[in-house]
Amino acid sequence: AQKVTQAQTEISVVEKEDVTLDCVYETRDTTYYLFWYKQPPSGELVFLIRRNSFDEQNEISGRYSWNFQKSTSSFNFTITASQVVDSAVYFCALTQYNNNDMRFGAGTRLTVKP
Amino acid sequence: DAGVIQSPRHEVTEMGQEVTLRCKPISGHDYLFWYRQTMMRGLELLIYFNNNVPIDDSGMPEDRFSAKMPNASFSTLKIQPSEPRDSAVYFCASSLDEYYGYTFGSGTRLTVV
Repeated sequence: AQKVTQAQTEISVVEKEDVTLDCVYETRDTTYYLFWYKQPPSGELVFLIRRNSFDEQNEISGRYSWNFQKSTSSFNFTITASQVVDSAVYFCALTQYNNNDMRFGAGTRLTVKP
Repeated sequence: DAGVIQSPRHEVTEMGQEVTLRCKPISGHDYLFWYRQTMMRGLELLIYFNNNVPIDDSGMPEDRFSAKMPNASFSTLKIQPSEPRDSAVYFCASSLDEYYGYTFGSGTRLTVV
């Protein structure tokens, strides 16, 4: 069984604050893939990052960074110096090897106020 | 590339009518997925295709739902007859392989009254 939990339903910050979105996953497989997607108010889903279970290196892309920790089954997403354009719903997702049922978390709605 | 193209963007129909949603994946992507998004259930995988062949349709809610992919550049999701509980946003996505990030279309917002 696989499951993704995003415990934070909604987060509100003021522009330029740093914010971390939590993602905890469950899987019995040793090979799996983790993802983050962004869904802005316009509604489309935008792929942000993929991580496989053998690569625990953290990743930074501009103001975005991701912290993958297998020991705690977490794949957290940090936005540094948040901007109003970061306002969106962010989804964490998991796919197990040989099982292409990508499971999405419930999403975290981030509001960045000016 | 224009990305994944879905049509229509919005559909309002009466209960009992047939609804057909359309999707054009990105050229060269071998995988195509249909998802449904609702407030109650979030994002759910309905069915996915590999090289135009349906691989897993266990997420299709019931026999009223059917999906086809007659060729590499076109897929349809049909609901017949439609019911109010089918109201949702339906997304189509495509991918190079099953473990890559998916590219989603803009979605079709379906309202069944």
